Amino acid sequence: AQTVTQSQPEMSVQEAETVTLSCTYDTSESNYYLFWYKQPPSRQMILVIRQEAYKQQNATENRFSVNFQKAAKSFSLKISDSQLGDTAMYFCAFMKPSNSKLTFGKGITLSVRP
Amino acid sequence: NAGVTQTPKFQVLKTGQSMTLQCAQDMNHEYMSWYRQDPGMGLRLIHYSVGAGITDQGEVPNGYNVSRSTTEDFPLRLLSAAPSQTSVYFCASSSRLTGSLGSPLHFGNGTRLTVT
Repeated sequence: AQTVTQSQPEMSVQEAETVTLSCTYDTSESNYYLFWYKQPPSRQMILVIRQEAYKQQNATENRFSVNFQKAAKSFSLKISDSQLGDTAMYFCAFMKPSNSKLTFGKGITLSVRP
Repeated sequence: NAGVTQTPKFQVLKTGQSMTLQCAQDMNHEYMSWYRQDPGMGLRLIHYSVGAGITDQGEVPNGYNVSRSTTEDFPLRLLSAAPSQTSVYFCASSSRLTGSLGSPLHFGNGTRLTVT
């Protein structure tokens, strides 16, 4: 079974600065997908970024990028130029493509200070 | 395009009552699933389905039933509500067509359920 660990329960960052959210996972699979989801106070689950394990290049989406270290089983999310709207809970998640099931970490609450 | 629609948004039940949380998607997705979110626990999989007529248990299935009679709908039934089922429930779907495996899940807006 897969496990996803987000060891930091909370983080805070000043507006316009850069912050990195950590995530590690454990799996014996060689082919899988990793995701970061954002959950603002509205409760909506919003996809931030997706990484395919067999792609060495780190995924980027505008101000969001990942540092994917497959051998270390690490998948951190970097948010550049933090904005007040980035305040949310962020979840790291693992998917085995054969069954589409997502396994989530416990989440991290990010606060962006003005 | 509605995506994944969950109803109701909020619900209060008394212990022992039963109810059904509704979930519908209009994206013709094969895969549908139910998660519950509890503080400090992340989202945990309750049940899932890879197509009409096919369902399977997730990590925390006890006290819940599902069925999938159509591609669009995937209701979650609480047979006899307990305070431990107080949670936020999310329905999610994704495509499993060839070439789409690994597609991200699309989530509904959640149902906050309180059992007293």
